[in-house]
Amino acid sequence: SQKIEQNSEALNIQEGKTATLTCNYTNYSPAYLQWYRQDPGRGPVFLLLIRENEKEKRKERLKVTFDTTLKQSLFHITASQPADSATYLCALLYSSASKIIFGSGTRLSIRP
Amino acid sequence: IAGITQAPTSQILAAGRRMTLRCTQDMRHNAMYWYRQDLGLGLRLIHYSNTAGTTGKGEVPDGYSVSRANTDDFPLTLASAVPSQTSVYFCASSVGQPNSYNEQFFGPGTRLTVL
Repeated sequence: SQKIEQNSEALNIQEGKTATLTCNYTNYSPAYLQWYRQDPGRGPVFLLLIRENEKEKRKERLKVTFDTTLKQSLFHITASQPADSATYLCALLYSSASKIIFGSGTRLSIRP
Repeated sequence: IAGITQAPTSQILAAGRRMTLRCTQDMRHNAMYWYRQDLGLGLRLIHYSNTAGTTGKGEVPDGYSVSRANTDDFPLTLASAVPSQTSVYFCASSVGQPNSYNEQFFGPGTRLTVL
């Protein structure tokens, strides 16, 4: 079965630095990969989607990369701010299953 | 614009009781989903519906049932609750099926405790 791994340990970053979160997956590559943000007590909110034939996608201070050789996606937040503190989830779609599988998330804390 | 609403916000339930979690969306999305979120396990799909009148099983369907009588509503029923069903439940929707590169919109969640 497909498995998704995100760093279960919290990531603590100094404000203004670039935060980098990792999402690793096993077996065959997904059709696409999504990143969501989740704040405490709230549902996840969609941030970015990257397709299997794309290497990189950007949106304002966010950047996502997709390396099918390494079976890995990296999620970057540049010029990080305390308001970026949240849990970030990656989600993969395997087209044969037509369902999205979520990782367990990485908690990011940006200290002033 | 409400998006997706869930009710109740939280509930404490005795084991063996029947419980229905409600989910309503006003975005006219075709697909809807129920997930449970447990610490360290992430979001796991319970049931889904690609369009009104159809439903399918997700990763952890046992002990749960759903119905999709219309586009807007997607209730989740626990026929006889057990303590292992203690979790936070999220309802979500998307314009189309996941293989159409659709993002999912999530509700605020229902925190359920089964004693």
